[in-house]
Order: sequence, then structure tokens, then C-alpha cells
Amino acid sequence: EIVLTQSPGTLSLSPGERATLSCRASQTVSSSYLAWYQQKPGQAPRLLIYGASSRATGIPDRFSGSGSGTDFTLTISRLEPEDFAVYYCRQYGSSFGGGTKVEIK
Amino acid sequence: QVQLVQSGAEVKKPGASVKVSCKASGYTFTNYGITWVRQAPGQGLEWMGWISAYNGNTNYAQKVQGRVTMTTDTSTSTAYMELRSLRSDDTAVYFCARDSPGPVSTGADYWGQGTLVTVSS
Repeated sequence: EIVLTQSPGTLSLSPGERATLSCRASQTVSSSYLAWYQQKPGQAPRLLIYGASSRATGIPDRFSGSGSGTDFTLTISRLEPEDFAVYYCRQYGSSFGGGTKVEIK
Repeated sequence: QVQLVQSGAEVKKPGASVKVSCKASGYTFTNYGITWVRQAPGQGLEWMGWISAYNGNTNYAQKVQGRVTMTTDTSTSTAYMELRSLRSDDTAVYFCARDSPGPVSTGADYWGQGTLVTVSS
């Protein structure tokens, strides 16, 4: 079973700053099947990125995904107030990473 | 527009079963699969399994295998998730989501609102 490890656990940043979130897999993951989700308190998750680097419908271009093999990254170029949330990576349609909380500094 | 509407909150005793429904609209139900994910209070997301709405094929997480059954009713575009032998650590919000037609997901793009299942004596 592939285990996804996300880091850091919490990222404290100010609006306008750049956020870089990491997702590391215990085995090679096909880029086609690596996705990123955003979740705000009391809400369902929202698909941000699929295929490691493709933005889902309606997702602003400040969100970008990259990586291959075992190392993947979600970058938010300039944090907007609505971007403070928890972010999860997911592989092959099964397991999720433990999440990274992006909080206001 | 695509919508997934789930059934309401449930309170169950340990050892009981719960069946959560997820009614889809706004798309061709049988062209996609449905993924079920749960989230215990204050915890992360846990994938439970996937079902093809086309042919009923399923893929369950090892942790709930043997206690979970996922089904679909194509006549009503509704997916169901039944969890048996409930324990206190099954207390969670359960989400359904539209996902790929095959077991390997390319992204769950529409989600239900979530159903809180509380297991308590």
C-alpha cells in the first residue's frame, strides 16, 4: 500500500505570500493519478489539481501542481484570504495524505 | 448543474448498521463512479471505497473490507454506502463524490454535503 506523507503539517503565512506544500509517496505514483484537494471547515473537499499539474474547472491560476515519481508539490503563488484551509494530496483514487493546514500568520 | 445530495444525520448504537444515500443529478450517472470518503472529528480524510455506477464493480479500503457494502440504483441515480458492526471509531462525516468510471481515480470533482454518523451507546 502506498503511503502519502505531506509536509509541513502546518504552514503559517501572510496573505500575498507564496505557499509550497509537499506530498511524498512511499512508492512511485503515476502523475496521472495524483490529485490535490482543498477543504475548509465544515465543508466538503474541493478538487484543485488532477494529473499532478492540471487545474480543475474554475480553479484560479495561482494554484499550480508539479512533480513526478515520489515527490509532488502544490504551490499557491500569492495567498488570498480564502486560501487559508487544509490541503490534501491523494493517489490512484485511494489513500489521502495527512493534510497540510495553511493558516494565517 | 451537477449535484450530489446525501441523506441526513444518523445516530446508531455500537454493533448496528447504517446506510447512507447519495442522490446524483445533472449528469449521466452511469458514466462515472462514486467514491466514499469519511472524516472523523478533527481528523483527515479517509478513503473508504469506490463503486462503478456503470456495472457495480467495487473497490474497498482494507480497513473497512468485510463491513462495508456499496451499491447503486441506476433507476434513481442514487448510490448507497452501508457500514455494519458499527464501532465508536466509525463516528465521522461520510462524503460521497463523483469520481472516475474506473477504479483508478483522476480526481473526484463533485462532492455531497456530507452525512454525520454518530455511534454511541
